[in-house]
Amino acid sequence: AQKVTQAQTEISVVEKEDVTLDCVYETRDTTYYLFWYKQPPSGELVFLIRRNSFDEQNEISGRYSWNFQKSTSSFNFTITASQVVDSAVYFCALSSFGAAGNKLTFGGGTRVLVKP
Amino acid sequence: DVKVTQSSRYLVKRTGEKVFLECVQDMDHENMFWYRQDPGLGLRLIYFSYDVKMKEKGDIPEGYSVSREKKERFSLILESASTNQTSMYLCASSTGTGGNQPQHFGDGTRLSIL
Repeated sequence: AQKVTQAQTEISVVEKEDVTLDCVYETRDTTYYLFWYKQPPSGELVFLIRRNSFDEQNEISGRYSWNFQKSTSSFNFTITASQVVDSAVYFCALSSFGAAGNKLTFGGGTRVLVKP
Repeated sequence: DVKVTQSSRYLVKRTGEKVFLECVQDMDHENMFWYRQDPGLGLRLIYFSYDVKMKEKGDIPEGYSVSREKKERFSLILESASTNQTSMYLCASSTGTGGNQPQHFGDGTRLSIL
């Protein structure tokens, strides 16, 4: 069975601080995909990034960066120079190649609160 | 942009009622999903569908059923609502069968069962 663990339930930072969200996953599949979603207070989950299991290159997109390490089964997410608009719940999720209907397994989410 | 529309943002029903939650997507996606979201538990999959009239149980299907008569519409049914079904319900859709496509979500329905 697949499992995604986000050990941090809530993180509070002051604006302009960096914040790193941890994600650890378990799967027996050799080909799989990892995702990060953002859920702002409005409620809709917004897709941020997808990573393939065979591509361990780190990625940076503006103030966001992702560190994928297969050796530790982790896919961590860093927000650099946080802003109030980054306040949201962030979810890490896992899918397997060929998963029926593209099923996702979600972690419990990490609530990020950025104070001005 | 993909648009997933859920019929209600907030809904209040009584114990024992039959409740319908509707979801429509406009991108011709094959796959549609219903989740419930509860504090500390993340998103849990109730049912999903990968084609018209096809449905598969997710992790917590008890007390729920679904209907997919048309490709764009996926309905979640609470046969006899109970207070432990008070939750946020999220609908999503995706395309493809390779497992690599992101799901696109609606705004959610916050359902209260009194």
